[in-house]
Amino acid sequence: AQSVTQPDIHITVSEGASLELRCNYSYGATPYLFWYVQSPGQGLQLLLKYFSGDTLVQGIKGFEAEFKRSQSSFNLRKPSVHWSDAAEYFCAVAQTTGGSYIPTFGRGTSLIVHP
Amino acid sequence: DTGVSQDPRHKITKRGQNVTFRCDPISEHNRLYWYRQTLGQGPEFLTYFQNEAQLEKSRLLSNRFSAERPKGSFSTLEIQRTEQGDSAMYLCASSLVPGTGVTDTQYFGPGTRLTVL
Repeated sequence: AQSVTQPDIHITVSEGASLELRCNYSYGATPYLFWYVQSPGQGLQLLLKYFSGDTLVQGIKGFEAEFKRSQSSFNLRKPSVHWSDAAEYFCAVAQTTGGSYIPTFGRGTSLIVHP
Repeated sequence: DTGVSQDPRHKITKRGQNVTFRCDPISEHNRLYWYRQTLGQGPEFLTYFQNEAQLEKSRLLSNRFSAERPKGSFSTLEIQRTEQGDSAMYLCASSLVPGTGVTDTQYFGPGTRLTVL
């Protein structure tokens, strides 16, 4: 069965500092991988996704993630964090079914940004 | 495009009561998904529809849970005989699949927060 581990429950960074959120997955085949962000009162928003091809994926809001098969990881990065990035971040791995994908989410990492 | 909407945003009920939630997807989207998110956890997939057909329902949490999408537009999720353990955020998402594409992006609504007393 597929699973996702986000080892950090909370991450605190200063505004302007770089950010890396960790994600490790378990999946037998080539994974479909995603990062979502959830702000209070808002729905989950897709930041980026990896299906195949270039292992460095660019997303919205200046985020990027790198797929490393040898480490079963898909870490999210941002070079300079803004206060508005404070939110909950979820990594997900998906299986495909009936032409769609069903994601399994990690438990999330809460990002706190200090001014 | 007003996004995915869910109603109500909050629901408080007593144990044993039935509750129904509604999801309105983005208008042209043919797929609709339901998830449950408990405190401190990521969303957990429940079921999904392609137009009015429910294609996957084996992950509905129990036979107290049911979902419909009768005309292929809005959907309802019903929980019968609610229990305290049903307290959670219930999320809806929709997507547009052109043909047999597998790279559809799911757009999430703000969720319905259920509290069972």
